[in-house]
Amino acid sequence: QKEVEQNSGPLSVPEGAIASLNCTYSDRGSQSFFWYRQYSGKSPELIMFIYSNGDKEDGRFTAQLNKASQYVSLLIRDSQPSDSATYLCAATEDSSASKIIFGSGTRLSIRP
Amino acid sequence: DAGVTQSPTHLIKTRGQQVTLRCSPKSGHDTVSWYQQALGQGPQFIFQYYEEEERQRGNFPDRFSGHQFPNYSSELNVNALLLGDSALYLCASSFSGVYGYTFGSGTRLTVV
Repeated sequence: QKEVEQNSGPLSVPEGAIASLNCTYSDRGSQSFFWYRQYSGKSPELIMFIYSNGDKEDGRFTAQLNKASQYVSLLIRDSQPSDSATYLCAATEDSSASKIIFGSGTRLSIRP
Repeated sequence: DAGVTQSPTHLIKTRGQQVTLRCSPKSGHDTVSWYQQALGQGPQFIFQYYEEEERQRGNFPDRFSGHQFPNYSSELNVNALLLGDSALYLCASSFSGVYGYTFGSGTRLTVV
């Protein structure tokens, strides 16, 4: 069973600090990795994708990928109360890229 | 540019009944995937349609079936509803899974 694992949280971070979210995956054939944000009662929204080892930055968000360790992370700088949400890590199932598997999500709370 | 649209938004059904959920993909997308998301869980892959055929399927019973039409829109059918089928059903469209999916707002199904 191919899996994506996340700590369910909640992760509480003070406003203005860096939030660090982590994820591991079991399928060494996975090629692309995604971070989705999901507000309560809403559908997931894609915020970052990464497919090469290293870092990828987009505004306050940085995704990090280490394929050797099968590890993906998301850093959120200057955290804002509006960042409070559940963050879903996802990975393509092997090289087909036609199926994306999701973790159970990490609940992030930004405290003022 | 319309995103992914799903209907209906909410639905209440009785055990044993059948339900049909509908999805129109984002313009330019040709692949539709369906997910089931129970409360507090990550989305679980049901199946994916491409070129009007089921391309991949997750661990869901045959009670779950689908269809894709020539205009890329899709339906999810669930027969013999169980209480455990109560969940948020998400439709996601893509052109290539490498770049992630775009989700619709979902259909909240309640089985009583």
